[in-house]
Amino acid sequence: SAVISQKPSRDICQRGTSLTIQCQVDSQVTMMFWYRQQPGQSLTLIATANQGSEATYESGFVIDKFPISRPNLTFSTLTVSNMSPEDSSIYLCSVLPRMGQGNFYYNEQFFGPGTRLTVL
Amino acid sequence: DQQVKQNSPSLSVQEGRISILNCDYTNSMFDYFLWYKKYPAEGPTFLISISSIKDKNEDGRFTVFLNKSAKHLSLHIVPSQPGDSAVYFCAASGSQGNLIFGKGTKLSVKP
Repeated sequence: SAVISQKPSRDICQRGTSLTIQCQVDSQVTMMFWYRQQPGQSLTLIATANQGSEATYESGFVIDKFPISRPNLTFSTLTVSNMSPEDSSIYLCSVLPRMGQGNFYYNEQFFGPGTRLTVL
Repeated sequence: DQQVKQNSPSLSVQEGRISILNCDYTNSMFDYFLWYKKYPAEGPTFLISISSIKDKNEDGRFTVFLNKSAKHLSLHIVPSQPGDSAVYFCAASGSQGNLIFGKGTKLSVKP
């Protein structure tokens, strides 16, 4: 399995500021995703982080609000811009390992520990 | 509109008994279903999955059943152990590898 770390693990931020969350994987992976879990809600996919190109955003999420970088196959960042209290959530990155690695099935994603963000 | 629904936010079970967690979905194009377990302050971890061409998959104490006609799946844990206490998420997979999650069911297994 892939080992995934996220920084920071938690933060408390002021309204109007921005926070960049880092996701580091211990091996090269084909796909990386960013999710959000608002209080009492399910995990919702924000975007797919594409290596070397712009991220693919899900409906309701835009690049200006959630810019994403993926400079290589082991690292990605998500920025939450111009934050408001409604952005208070847990943000998680997940990865799909390379096809053919071990016994991983295509759809079994591995998740990082999450970043708990509180916006005041 | 939720495509994956877990209608029970919580479930309490005695140690040694069976835990049954339920999940319903609306999109008949989903081709793969997964269960994830999440402990506090940790990310979800994969537990068990089932392809849409099967109706049952078993892994040790964990069995997932799929009823495609009813668009319903369930996770059975037998026997339940206190360490199984966690939030369980049902997820369905689309063709692009993205996962659509339910809201989760918090399982409490009492000694």
